[in-house]
Amino acid sequence: GAVVSQHPSRVICKSGTSVKIECRSLDFQATTMFWYRQFPKQSLMLMATSNEGSKATYEQGVEKDKFLINHASLTLSTLTVTSAHPEDSSFYICSARRETYNSPLHFGNGTRLTVT
Amino acid sequence: GNSVTQMEGPVTLSEEAFLTINCTYTATGYPSLFWYVQYPGEGLQLLLKATKADDKGSNKGFEATYRKETTSFHLEKGSVQVSDSAVYFCALGTGGFKTIFGAGTRLFVKA
Repeated sequence: GAVVSQHPSRVICKSGTSVKIECRSLDFQATTMFWYRQFPKQSLMLMATSNEGSKATYEQGVEKDKFLINHASLTLSTLTVTSAHPEDSSFYICSARRETYNSPLHFGNGTRLTVT
Repeated sequence: GNSVTQMEGPVTLSEEAFLTINCTYTATGYPSLFWYVQYPGEGLQLLLKATKADDKGSNKGFEATYRKETTSFHLEKGSVQVSDSAVYFCALGTGGFKTIFGAGTRLFVKA
């Protein structure tokens, strides 16, 4: 069964509103989770690394004030898209991995965000 | 730096055809290698992995062998099915927490 749960799977919001996406690791603790963005027919773009109890590490070109990440517990990270605009419409995917050497990533099923 | 290069798609095959998706990597140290699959509208799922040279990962009829001498991890399947239609990502993990993904290869299998 799924070991990483992401919610919601789809969300439509109006321009200027904020949207929160949750990512939960279901049967293991994850001090680190990852947020990706995927454009149609393209690869995954790592947006940020979410660190439990500390600030997220953002990749170059990703606006930290636009994409707020909170990793408040060992099983939950949230991504909030603030003041969303149509260009933020995308597929957002989170992942986590067990903290054993070279363990693979487990992915959520993604969130399709549409900003109208 | 670390990188992954995989063949561009889309790849279109007829059912029961043989599949190869090429993947090569550059890395320092001794990475682990992965293949992930993404079905339409979903997140990624681990398909198979190999953690050291000459290891062969296999799952659901797919195989890939970690070749250190050619820095490759090509994905193969002897007989594809329509249900294998998806995007396949080759990826590299270096023991740190970042995973490097290839660009993805879209596979279409026709009945």
